[in-house]
Amino acid sequence: AQTVTQSQPEMSVQEAETVTLSCTYDTSENNYYLFWYKQPPSRQMILVIRQEAYKQQNATENRFSVNFQKAAKSFSLKISDSQLGDTAMYFCASLGADAGGTSYGKLTFGQGTILTVHP
Amino acid sequence: EAGVAQSPRYKIIEKRQSVAFWCNPISGHATLYWYQQILGQGPKLLIQFQNNGVVDDSQLPKDRFSAERLKGVDSTLKIQPAKLEDSAVYLCASSLEPSGQVKFFGPGTRLTVL
Repeated sequence: AQTVTQSQPEMSVQEAETVTLSCTYDTSENNYYLFWYKQPPSRQMILVIRQEAYKQQNATENRFSVNFQKAAKSFSLKISDSQLGDTAMYFCASLGADAGGTSYGKLTFGQGTILTVHP
Repeated sequence: EAGVAQSPRYKIIEKRQSVAFWCNPISGHATLYWYQQILGQGPKLLIQFQNNGVVDDSQLPKDRFSAERLKGVDSTLKIQPAKLEDSAVYLCASSLEPSGQVKFFGPGTRLTVL
């Protein structure tokens, strides 16, 4: 079983600044994937970034990076140089995987964090 | 590449009425998912199809919810009869592989039950 907790219901940041969204998780799986999804006000969910648990190096996608602390079961998302288009609900999610990295099961989502970027 | 299509975008019904949602996944995607997203919560998987077979429907309230994907392409989700607590956004998603890693979501159908 997996649980994902996002303790920040809402966050705000000024344009061009950096913001970090928090996520903690609990899982009984030996291997797993962690994700951050973005859901803009139009409601279409988009995958932002993905991390496989056995990889030590933190994933990075342009202005988006994660801080994966496996022992602490923490998976935070850092958005650098925030843009107005980053305004959205952000969901952290987890998914189990086997030792070979093949994922299985169902995505478990956190409650979400509403991020507002101010001009 | 066209995205996941859903219709209608919005639906308002009275409790005890029936409603159906339609989803057309990305072409070639064998795996299709229906999620329920209640306001203020993360999406919850209702059902997962691999082609036209059900992979996981453990969280589908089968007394009132049903879903089908007869030809392994588009899918319908039905609620009959609807309850107030069914008010939510219903998201459809698809992926190439059945691994559960969802990359492509549709815009969702917002259902309001009065």
